[in-house]
Amino acid sequence: AQSVTQLGSHVSVSEGALVLLRCNYSSSVPPYLFWYVQYPNQGLQLLLKYTTGATLVKGINGFEAEFKKSETSFHLTKPSAHMSDAAEYFCAVKEGGYSTLTFGKGTMLLVSP
Amino acid sequence: DVKVTQSSRYLVKRTGEKVFLECVQDMDHENMFWYRQDPGLGLRLIYFSYDVKMKEKGDIPEGYSVSREKKERFSLILESASTNQTSMYLCAIATTTGSGGYTFGSGTRLTVV
Repeated sequence: AQSVTQLGSHVSVSEGALVLLRCNYSSSVPPYLFWYVQYPNQGLQLLLKYTTGATLVKGINGFEAEFKKSETSFHLTKPSAHMSDAAEYFCAVKEGGYSTLTFGKGTMLLVSP
Repeated sequence: DVKVTQSSRYLVKRTGEKVFLECVQDMDHENMFWYRQDPGLGLRLIYFSYDVKMKEKGDIPEGYSVSREKKERFSLILESASTNQTSMYLCAIATTTGSGGYTFGSGTRLTVV
């Protein structure tokens, strides 16, 4: 069965600092991996996804993530945080075919001036 | 891009009431999902449907049922609302099978008093 672990329910950074949100997964087959962002009182928006091919994936708003099979990780990074990045971020895994998305518990990113 | 509409943003209902949450898509996608979101627990799958009149239980189906009479509409039903069903409810559709992620509606915040 697939599962996702996000380390840290809250992460605080200063504006301009590196953002690193951690995600580890378990899957019995090569997974498809996703990061979603949720702004207050809104639904989830897809940031980026890994399916096959290049392991470094670029998404919207300057975010990127790297699939590392040996570490079963898919950490999300952004070189320089902006105040508008403050939101909750969810990592999700899918085992392909008709399986459903399984989400982590989320990480709230706080950005201070 | 597909649009997923949830009919109510905020809803307040009394304990014991029958509650209907509606989700409508403006395209012809087969797979639709209902999640509930609670702080610290992330998103948990309640029910999903892969075609008209077809439904599958997710991880937490107790106390809920669903209806899909037309392809574009997927309804979540709380037969007798209870206070522990106070939550944010998110509808999603799978825009492609296999490697595709989901597109989410804006959510319905339900309060049961």
